[in-house]
Amino acid sequence: AQKITQTQPGMFVQEKEAVTLDCTYDTSDPSYGLFWYKQPSSGEMIFLIYQGSYDQQNATEGRYSLNFQKARKSANLVISASQLGDSAMYFCAMREGIGGTSYGKLTFGQGTILTVHP
Amino acid sequence: EPEVTQTPSHQVTQMGQEVILRCVPISNHLYFYWYRQILGQKVEFLVSFYNNEISEKSEIFDDQFSVERPDGSNFTLKIRSTKLEDSAMYFCASSRRQGSGEQYFGPGTRLTVT
Repeated sequence: AQKITQTQPGMFVQEKEAVTLDCTYDTSDPSYGLFWYKQPSSGEMIFLIYQGSYDQQNATEGRYSLNFQKARKSANLVISASQLGDSAMYFCAMREGIGGTSYGKLTFGQGTILTVHP
Repeated sequence: EPEVTQTPSHQVTQMGQEVILRCVPISNHLYFYWYRQILGQKVEFLVSFYNNEISEKSEIFDDQFSVERPDGSNFTLKIRSTKLEDSAMYFCASSRRQGSGEQYFGPGTRLTVT
């Protein structure tokens, strides 16, 4: 079974609009972390935002926010005021077993290609 | 801002040859990782390394692969006898803490096996 599912292979958004990239996850571990990374065409992996399973509030980092719905096991990335430079592949990832049993391995989804139109 | 660095950025090798991919993690980080991404596919975990030993490895990380931290700064991935299917982007990553917080990736090494 997929642990991380990104159902949107591609998304389009108009510059300055907001966009939501979907991510659902599957784990029975009560302790986990959720990550979003951006991969531009140049290939590097850029860390965007992190949400811990016990965090009470949704994570925010500038124009990025993570809509964390624990009961639904979803961790959607919201990008506000899209810019042309946001065009890239976006990966959702999960780390299970915070602290005791995990050494930090990330499991990635298939990714969503975001295209921002002027 | 400190960052993870990797060399070379691109390596072309012939099938059966040994390759060593090099990484310099962020200096105060303690946990180190290798991932790979076959072209057009998702990123896959290979191995994690802590306290000078492998802490976890995936099924991909078979006897052809090894990792080493030969000094206080470098972290290397060796593939003993490369196969065509080893062609991929290889990412090194590091984190300061085990259980929470960010995991920072290097820019990657694109390995092409011919």
